[in-house]
Amino acid sequence: KAGVTQTPRYLIKTRGQQVTLSCSPISGHRSVSWYQQTPGQGLQFLFEYFSETQRNKGNFPGRFSGRQFSNSRSEMNVSTLELGDSALYLCASSALSATYEQYFGPGTRLTVT
Amino acid sequence: GIQVEQSPPDLILQEGANSTLRCNFSDSVNNLQWFHQNPWGQLINLFYIPSGTKQNGRLSATTVATERYSLLYISSSQTTDSGVYFCAVAMDSSYKLIFGSGTRLLVRP
Repeated sequence: KAGVTQTPRYLIKTRGQQVTLSCSPISGHRSVSWYQQTPGQGLQFLFEYFSETQRNKGNFPGRFSGRQFSNSRSEMNVSTLELGDSALYLCASSALSATYEQYFGPGTRLTVT
Repeated sequence: GIQVEQSPPDLILQEGANSTLRCNFSDSVNNLQWFHQNPWGQLINLFYIPSGTKQNGRLSATTVATERYSLLYISSSQTTDSGVYFCAVAMDSSYKLIFGSGTRLLVRP
């Protein structure tokens, strides 16, 4: 079974631009979560989607948004990029079974200049 | 919110040595996972262990939920074990993982 995939793997953007990152979960997984990793703040939860609905949201400004499609693929968008948005963005999927185990993709490394 | 503390923050070992990494959490959890972050940034699942003991080769983990801590044991360490180890927890049937700050392990040949 293929793992979680994320595209693109690397991205360079300029301040003020917007960016869209994509995540395809493991086949059959319906929950998708997004995390941001920075050297200063560590790994932080952004949001979680299930059945195209956002169920949980972390403490991030409204510039960070996401959505989930009917095939469980998810996208996250960051508008009006700031230098501090430079980070590794990780996506995780879960099967919503008896366990809550999450599996992570390889990440998208975003650099804002 | 729940706090997750990992210790030690840094660990240097000679190849072949054993080590124990600790994760303390401040509230009851329904999910506890240990991850190894590889040099390219991907989080590799090691254990899903909200309670009890599990073993996988040279690695094993124990979570004592009533005392709110988990231990990851690495035996006969290899240079490929180097990297950052994260403990992450979630509460109340949530999929929101709260991560510790990690333990950075360096295994020297």
